[in-house]
Amino acid sequence: SQQGEEDPQALSIQEGENATMNCSYKTSINNLQWYRQNSGRGLVHLILIRSNEREKHSGRLRVTLDTSKKSSSLLITASRAADTASYFCATLSQNFVFGPGTRLSVLP
Amino acid sequence: GAVVSQHPSRVICKSGTSVKIECRSLDFQATTMFWYRQFPKQSLMLMATSNEGSKATYEQGVEKDKFLINHASLTLSTLTVTSAHPEDSSFYICSLITGQTSYNEQFFGPGTRLTVL
Repeated sequence: SQQGEEDPQALSIQEGENATMNCSYKTSINNLQWYRQNSGRGLVHLILIRSNEREKHSGRLRVTLDTSKKSSSLLITASRAADTASYFCATLSQNFVFGPGTRLSVLP
Repeated sequence: GAVVSQHPSRVICKSGTSVKIECRSLDFQATTMFWYRQFPKQSLMLMATSNEGSKATYEQGVEKDKFLINHASLTLSTLTVTSAHPEDSSFYICSLITGQTSYNEQFFGPGTRLTVL
C-alpha cells in the first residue's frame, strides 16, 4: 500500500478564503486521489489525477501533481463552512492505508 | 486499531445470481461500517454507510435494491449484490471507524473481488 502524508495537519481559515493542502508520497504511482471525510462519516472521493496529468479541476477544487517531487496539492477556492472536514490523499493498491489527513476548519 | 475481515476474498459467479459479502469486525463493536467499491485503477467509491439495527444510508447513484446491506450485529455487516451483472464486477471493501483516534482513522477489510461472468 502507499500512504500519502498530508500537511498541514490542521488548517483554520475564514469563509471565502482559499485553502491549500499538500500531500507527499514515496514511490512511483499510476494515479493519486483526494478524499474528504466529515466527522464520523465515510471517505468521499473528490478527484483522481493520473501520473501523466499535472493539474485537474473540479468545481472549486484544483489538484496539482508533481511527480518529480512526489507531491500533490489540493486547493479549495472560495471556501465555505460546509467544506469543514478532513482531507486525505492516497495512492491505493491492494491494502488501504490513509494518513491522518488535513483537518480543515472554515469559520463563518 | 481494529481488525476487519471480509469473506469471501474472491468470488466468481454467473450473471443473474446474487452474491453475499460479509464484513466482520473481529475485535471492536462497530455501530457503523462503510462499504466501498473500486474499479481497476480507479478510486475508492463510497457506496453506503451501514448502521447497526437500522437501514443503511446509500450514496447518490447507488441502487439500494441492487446492493442490499444488512448490519444485524455490532460485528457483522453484509452486502448482497442482487442479480449480479458483468458491470458489477469490482473490488468491494468495507471499513469501520472506531472513534478512538482524533482523525477518524478508517480500518479496512482486505476486500472482496467479484467477477460476474
